[in-house]
Amino acid sequence: EAGVAQSPRYKIIEKRQSVAFWCNPISGHATLYWYQQILGQGPKLLIQFQNNGVVDDSQLPKDRFSAERLKGVDSTLKIQPAKLEDSAVYLCASSHPGAADEQYFGPGTRLTVT
Amino acid sequence: ILNVEQSPQSLHVQEGDSTNFTCSFPSSNFYALHWYRWETAKSPEALFVMTLNGDEKKKGRISATLNTKEGYSYLYIKGSQPEDSATYLCAYSGTYKYIFGTGTRLKVLA
Repeated sequence: EAGVAQSPRYKIIEKRQSVAFWCNPISGHATLYWYQQILGQGPKLLIQFQNNGVVDDSQLPKDRFSAERLKGVDSTLKIQPAKLEDSAVYLCASSHPGAADEQYFGPGTRLTVT
Repeated sequence: ILNVEQSPQSLHVQEGDSTNFTCSFPSSNFYALHWYRWETAKSPEALFVMTLNGDEKKKGRISATLNTKEGYSYLYIKGSQPEDSATYLCAYSGTYKYIFGTGTRLKVLA
């Protein structure tokens, strides 16, 4: 079974530039999550999708962050414009309903904003 | 504000030593407690998911216990090996889903 795929793995941009991350979840997983993990902190949920609908985006900074999950499969997370404090690892995870919400994670995208 | 706390933040142990970490979580509206192992540049890997008070899970040299009444879980590693070096994350899922702790960074010295 293929795991969760993410790209790019690393990205360096200047502040005020835009960036987009892509995630392909495990086939058949209806739920998809985007997390932000700042160095020294635990992963923070940014947005959760159930199929192509948003379940929770309460911690997504909507003035600069956006995410979509077209057709309920792949998802993209965009930051526009980026700030220095957005430097973090962005993790995508997916889960199958049930199974005690066990999530499967991709390798993450490490973003550095200079 | 719901917090999930892990201790210690980091530790170094010698190869062959046994060690343990703590995860403290809200005891209200509890659904499950998850442990993950996260090696640098790799995906976090699920170790255990526990739902019932008194649960004990084991995978090789790693085991975990759960106390939902007092809101804590322990992760134990017996006979640590260099390949155990990683960050160990716990996550609480309840009414407010999936709150992660800050992790315990383990370094096993050969």
